[in-house]
This record gives sequence, structure tokens and C-alpha cells, in this order.
Amino acid sequence: GQNIDQPTEMTATEGAIVQINCTYQTSGFNGLFWYQQHAGEAPTFLSYNVLDGLEEKGRFSSFLSRSKGYSYLLLKELQMKDSASYLCAVIDGNYQLIWGAGTKLIIKP
Amino acid sequence: ETGVTQTPRHLVMGMTNKKSLKCEQHLGHNAMYWYKQSAKKPLELMFVYNFKEQTENNSVPSRFSPECPNSSHLFLHLHTLQPEDSALYLCASSQEGGTSGTTNTGELFFGEGSRLTVL
Repeated sequence: GQNIDQPTEMTATEGAIVQINCTYQTSGFNGLFWYQQHAGEAPTFLSYNVLDGLEEKGRFSSFLSRSKGYSYLLLKELQMKDSASYLCAVIDGNYQLIWGAGTKLIIKP
Repeated sequence: ETGVTQTPRHLVMGMTNKKSLKCEQHLGHNAMYWYKQSAKKPLELMFVYNFKEQTENNSVPSRFSPECPNSSHLFLHLHTLQPEDSALYLCASSQEGGTSGTTNTGELFFGEGSRLTVL
């Protein structure tokens, strides 16, 4: 079966750096997404990786290793507003979007 | 504001009620989706409409009935639901839909969801 694994919950300190990991086992691969979802709000697109390497976008970066079936989302200079759930999703070989259960990130002052 | 609006935001209904969820997108997209989001579980794709045609129905019980009158509006009609159907129902849109809820570019625009509680 197809599977996406990410930690259920993480805690970090304001101003620090946190890395949220996502590992996947899918039948084929056509890209990986990260979405952010604040409590009670819509998920919003953060990043898309299809080639190996690091994509940087301001305080957020996303990394992909296709050979390892692994991605991470790196958040720098954490702010209280970064408290949210972060969803990892993979497009498999049939262009189906497979979702992880999300990582709830708690930021403490 | 994502350009996708869902109403109502909250809905409480009994198992014998009939209600509908509404979604409207103002982005000019051609594909619309219904997802179910339960606590600590992955998003579950329910239905996909591409250019108003239903292209995906992921073995959803018949007590959920979608309707897509045009590419900007999507409804989810609910009847004789069960308590386990309580969840957040998310609508999403994308420029165009591939099969099974994604596109070659992939970015989905979500509404804020309708929180459904079935008593």
C-alpha cells in the first residue's frame, strides 16, 4: 500500500529552527507538496518539490530526496503565527494525491 | 482569503435530517473537489469534478450526494448521516483536474471547511 509518514506533533521555541520530516512509500512519484493549515482555517500551499534538492522561500525551505523517499520542511526564525498543522502530500505514479496525516507544530515563547 | 468560499461553516444535524454544503470558487478554475478531514487522519478525497463532469467517486456512501451545476459551484447533499460522518468537509479547486484529485501543477486552493456534527 501507499503510505506517508510524518510526526504527529512537534514543539519548538520562538526564534528557533524546526525541521518537519516526511517519508513516503508510493507507487511512482510525480512531486511532493507541503501545505500549512491553521486551526479552523483552509490549508494553504507552501511548496512543491519534484527534483532532488532544496527549495527556499523566505523563512521556509523544503528538501526532497527521491532515492530515499524523504522530504523535510525547514522553518527558520520561528514566529508564534507558525503554530499550525503542516501537511505533506505526494503525487504518485498515477497522479493520485496521497496525503499524510499532518504534523501539528506548537510554538512556545 | 483563498478564493474558495464554503457555507455553512458549522452544521449540526440529526441522523434523519437532510442538509447541503455549498462551495463557490472565484478563481476561474475548472476542477473542484470534496475532501473529508478527520482528526489525526489524512485528507480523504471524496469527489472530483473536472469541467463539471464527475471524474472520481472514491467509494463514498450514497448518503453523500455531490452536485456541480457549473464550474464555479459545488454542493454536497447530506441525508441519513451517521455519527462517524462528523468531520470537517473541505472544498478545493484547481486550474484543471487530472484524475483522482490532482493536476500536473498540483496546487489546490481550499475553502475553510464546513464543520459537520451528526448527533
